[in-house]
Amino acid sequence: AQSVTQLGSHVSVSEGALVLLRCNYSSSVPPYLFWYVQYPNQGLQLLLKYTSAATLVKGINGFEAEFKKSETSFHLTKPSAHMSDAAEYFCAVSDLPGRRALTFGSGTRLQVQP
Amino acid sequence: DAGVTQSPTHLIKTRGQQVTLRCSPKSGHDTVSWYQQALGQGPQFIFQYYEEEERQRGNFPDRFSGHQFPNYSSELNVNALLLGDSALYLCASSLATGRNEQFFGPGTRLTVL
Repeated sequence: AQSVTQLGSHVSVSEGALVLLRCNYSSSVPPYLFWYVQYPNQGLQLLLKYTSAATLVKGINGFEAEFKKSETSFHLTKPSAHMSDAAEYFCAVSDLPGRRALTFGSGTRLQVQP
Repeated sequence: DAGVTQSPTHLIKTRGQQVTLRCSPKSGHDTVSWYQQALGQGPQFIFQYYEEEERQRGNFPDRFSGHQFPNYSSELNVNALLLGDSALYLCASSLATGRNEQFFGPGTRLTVL
């Protein structure tokens, strides 16, 4: 079985500050890991994905994440927050995303203060 | 290229009724997955369809059923609605071959009164 834990249901940062959203996973097989963003009343948009290639993954809107097997982590970062980054962020894991379920964390709501 | 589309956008039903939600996958995709997202929570996997068959199922009762058509579109049916079925229902499509991500539609907001 796979699981995802997102530490911190709410994170608040100032505009221009570093964004760090934490994700730890559990998987008995090599995982595929994803970060999705959800804006109010919308579906999920893929930010970035780890599929066993480079451990540092760059995504859209300036976000990146680093896969650390020893720490079973896949934390999401952005050097400088923008007001438009305010949204809900979900980390997800799968053993074969094209043909198997995604298991999501409970989400982290990011607030960006002016 | 149209992404994943879902209909209707919103739906209001009463307890005990039945509902059908529809999903058209992204062009070229052959696999459809359904997720339920309750307010303030992460999406929970309901089931996945590939080649018109249910391939994997999450921890949901038999009141939740689905179908996939030859054109890869899919329906989610929920019978005997309960208040707790109120949620955002998300459809995602993907390619069964390869290690590809799932693309999500905008969702259908179901309210059960």
